[in-house]
Amino acid sequence: DQQVKQNSPSLSVQEGRISILNCDYTNSMFDYFLWYKKYPAEGPTFLISISSIKDKNEDGRFTVFLNKSAKHLSLHIVPSQPGDSAVYFCAARGDKIIFGKGTRLHILP
Amino acid sequence: DSGVTQTPKHLITATGQRVTLRCSPRSGDLSVYWYQQSLDQGLQFLIQYYNGEERAKGNILERFSAQQFPDLHSELNLSSLELGDSALYFCASSPPRGGEAFFGQGTRLTVV
Repeated sequence: DQQVKQNSPSLSVQEGRISILNCDYTNSMFDYFLWYKKYPAEGPTFLISISSIKDKNEDGRFTVFLNKSAKHLSLHIVPSQPGDSAVYFCAARGDKIIFGKGTRLHILP
Repeated sequence: DSGVTQTPKHLITATGQRVTLRCSPRSGDLSVYWYQQSLDQGLQFLIQYYNGEERAKGNILERFSAQQFPDLHSELNLSSLELGDSALYFCASSPPRGGEAFFGQGTRLTVV
């Protein structure tokens, strides 16, 4: 039973364009959503989060949007940079923090 | 540097053996989480402790156990190891108010 789903295993985006990573969840009890970035053989690095009472949170090039009625959130990165190439995990917090399987983002030169 | 320290970084051991992974949370954080990441898989939640007490449990095998000590560091014990236990094991901590969790660099366990 996958409560947090990232349906795109990978995504390729041209440098300078917008990267949009998507995430769906099933549990209405989640109260907090998080995005992490991960490089191989390193721990996940926290990027940005959003409370369930908000619909948007912005931090520099990163913006997270939450659509509670659709149980959907997305991470927008603009403009995309080569250093953004990594695996991005969506996570949701209820009584524990559940992660999606990740989306590998490739930024093309 | 997230402030979460995990030791050892690498561990190679034989099937049937027992190992202990250690995690020191960030200063002031009361919650500790353990996750397992197998090859090309997502992060599987194992267990969470809050201020010494077990708070939530995920898909943790009976051969695995954990605890959080009074100084808030945590240990994950893996016993009767099997080849399939080879994975990256991550620890994370979060502050009392909740919110985001910060991860350590992980322990790579290889069972041979």
